[in-house]
Amino acid sequence: DAGVTQSPTHLIKTRGQQVTLRCSPKSGHDTVSWYQQALGQGPQFIFQYYEEEERQRGNFPDRFSGHQFPNYSSELNVNALLLGDSALYLCASSLYRGTYYNEQFFGPGTRLTVL
Amino acid sequence: AQSVTQLDSHVSVSEGTPVLLRCNYSSSYSPSLFWYVQHPNKGLQLLLKYTSAATLVKGINGFEAEFKKSETSFHLTKPSAHMSDAAEYFCVVSDGNYGGSQGNLIFGKGTKLSVKP
Repeated sequence: DAGVTQSPTHLIKTRGQQVTLRCSPKSGHDTVSWYQQALGQGPQFIFQYYEEEERQRGNFPDRFSGHQFPNYSSELNVNALLLGDSALYLCASSLYRGTYYNEQFFGPGTRLTVL
Repeated sequence: AQSVTQLDSHVSVSEGTPVLLRCNYSSSYSPSLFWYVQHPNKGLQLLLKYTSAATLVKGINGFEAEFKKSETSFHLTKPSAHMSDAAEYFCVVSDGNYGGSQGNLIFGKGTKLSVKP
């Protein structure tokens, strides 16, 4: 059973460009969350998708947007890249079950470098 | 607002000695708390979770943590460190009244554990 997969592994962009990162959830999961982990910091929540809609959003500007497809995979888009967007971007998947906790499984991440 | 504070950015122990990674939390209601481990170039892995059941929580690889409401602490311990335990450890609290898909995870800044032979 494949876990959470992310592509690409590494990415180098220049300021002002746009980037798209991709995530395939663990088999059987229907919810995808995205996190940004700057160097030396803990991950920060960007947003969460369920049923192809953004359900929750962290404190990130509108330059960060996403999408979830009918097969539950997800994309994270970042427009007008800034140097400060350089980070490890983590995708986590889980199964929505109402009001009790379900573990989020993390992918290995995409390392984005903005020059 | 909920938050976690990891009291040590770096902990170094010798192989075979006990491990203690400290975490304090802030929450306006009963929190869901977790410890995750991150090995280099690998994804985050859940070590253990507290969701208002037993206050002493046992996790994988011999780790355990005790929820102490009076001290607002959730320290991670292991009786005997192994070389393979060297990694970054994150204390995490879940946003919302319940964890899981509806709640996003709020991470501490991490504690890097080094294990000396």
